Amino acid sequence: DIVMTQSPDSLAVSLGERATINCKSSQSVLYSSDNKSYLAWYQQKPGQPPKLLIYWASTRESGVPDRFSGSGSGTDFTLTISSLQAEDVAVYYCHQYYSTPPTFGQGTKVEIK
Amino acid sequence: QVQLVQSGADVKKPGASVKVSCKASGYTFTTYGITWVRQAPGQGLEWMGWISAYNGNTNYAQKLQGRVTMTTDTSTSTAYMELRSLRSDDTAVYYCARDGGGNTPFDYWGQGTLVTVSS
Repeated sequence: DIVMTQSPDSLAVSLGERATINCKSSQSVLYSSDNKSYLAWYQQKPGQPPKLLIYWASTRESGVPDRFSGSGSGTDFTLTISSLQAEDVAVYYCHQYYSTPPTFGQGTKVEIK
Repeated sequence: QVQLVQSGADVKKPGASVKVSCKASGYTFTTYGITWVRQAPGQGLEWMGWISAYNGNTNYAQKLQGRVTMTTDTSTSTAYMELRSLRSDDTAVYYCARDGGGNTPFDYWGQGTLVTVSS
């Protein structure tokens, strides 16, 4: 199974400041035939299901604010919230869908400083 | 709009079985699969398995093989997940999610169903 490791486990950021979450996979999730990284990011608020934010490592899901961006390729990925808003307080998960079983990172909790 | 509506919370005794339903609307049910993911209290996300709504093909997580069965009813656009021989560590919120099938992200999720296993 591909192991997904996120860092940090939690972070506190001031409103309007940048938040950066890292995700590392134990093996590459880049598929050479289409040059796509099979990596997604989800946001989960308390008592709610996860919400898809980013897929193919950097494609924003429809309706997701453009302050959310994803980058990276192969084994190292980053989710960036460019200007943290109060409604962004949540746990964020990376997810590889390159191989079965699909696996998730352990989550990163984002709070307001 | 796409919606996945799950059945309500349930409490079961150890050794019993639970069956969770997930009713889909807003899209053609048979053109996608349904993935099941669970989340133990305060924990992360665990993939349980997948079923094709087109032909009923399944793929289960190895640790749940023999205890889990996923089915669909295309006449009602509903997916089901049955888990047997329940243990206390099966206590979790169970989610269904729409899955394009074959290496795709999970773009729509149900609201979740809390299953509590307790004597």
